Amino acid sequence: KAGVTQTPRYLIKTRGQQVTLSCSPISGHRSVSWYQQTPGQGLQFLFEYFSETQRNKGNFPGRFSGRQFSNSRSEMNVSTLELGDSALYLCASSHGLKGQKNTEAFFGQGTRLTVV
Amino acid sequence: QKEVEQNSGPLSVPEGAIASLNCTYSDRGSQSFFWYRQYSGKSPELIMSIYSNGDKEDGRFTAQLNKASQYVSLLIRDSQPSDSATYLCAVNGPGGYQKVTFGTGTKLQVIP
Repeated sequence: KAGVTQTPRYLIKTRGQQVTLSCSPISGHRSVSWYQQTPGQGLQFLFEYFSETQRNKGNFPGRFSGRQFSNSRSEMNVSTLELGDSALYLCASSHGLKGQKNTEAFFGQGTRLTVV
Repeated sequence: QKEVEQNSGPLSVPEGAIASLNCTYSDRGSQSFFWYRQYSGKSPELIMSIYSNGDKEDGRFTAQLNKASQYVSLLIRDSQPSDSATYLCAVNGPGGYQKVTFGTGTKLQVIP
C-alpha cells in the first residue's frame, strides 16, 4: 500500500511569488491535513480537507489556501510569499471519520520551501 | 497556556535504560492521543495511539493516558541509539474529527 506522496520535495521561490504544493493521500483516506513546521514554532496546523470541503482551519493568513479534489488529492497554495514562509510543509492523511482508528494520521515526506 | 505541552529536552538516557517522555494537554474533551517519532530532516512517523485511560504496550513502547490529569506519557524500554529522535505528542480534539494539535516535541538522545 503506497504511503502519502508530496510533490515537489524541494522548492526555492522569490519573495512575492506564489507556490502550489501537492499531496496524494493513502488510498482510501478521505482526509488530508496540512502543517507548517519551522524550528521555532514546531508543527502548526494549517487546514484539513475532507471530501473536497475544508473542515478545519488553523490560524494562518488568507495567503494560505488549499483545495481537495474528488480523488482526495489535495493542493496547498501560498500567495505573495514572504521570507517567513520558509518551512517544511507536511501533509497527513487519515480516514477522517469519527472513531478512534479513523483519526490516525500518516505523514508524507514533506516539501521544503525556501523563500529568498 | 499551550494546548499541548512537552518538555523540549534534550532528554539524555544511557543505552538500555528506560526513557520517559511526558505530555500534558489543555482540552478536557480530547479523545485521541498519539505519539510520533521524527528523525532529523524526516517527517513524523506514528508510533503509538491511545484512546482510553491506562497503559498500551507495543514492543518496547508503552503509552500511558490519564484523562483526569490530562496527561499522556511514552515509555521506551531498553533504549537504543536508533531511538534518538524528537518525539511529538499529538492530541485530537472533541468531536473526533481531524484537528490534531501537536506539542513542540521532546528531543531524546540515547547515549551508547
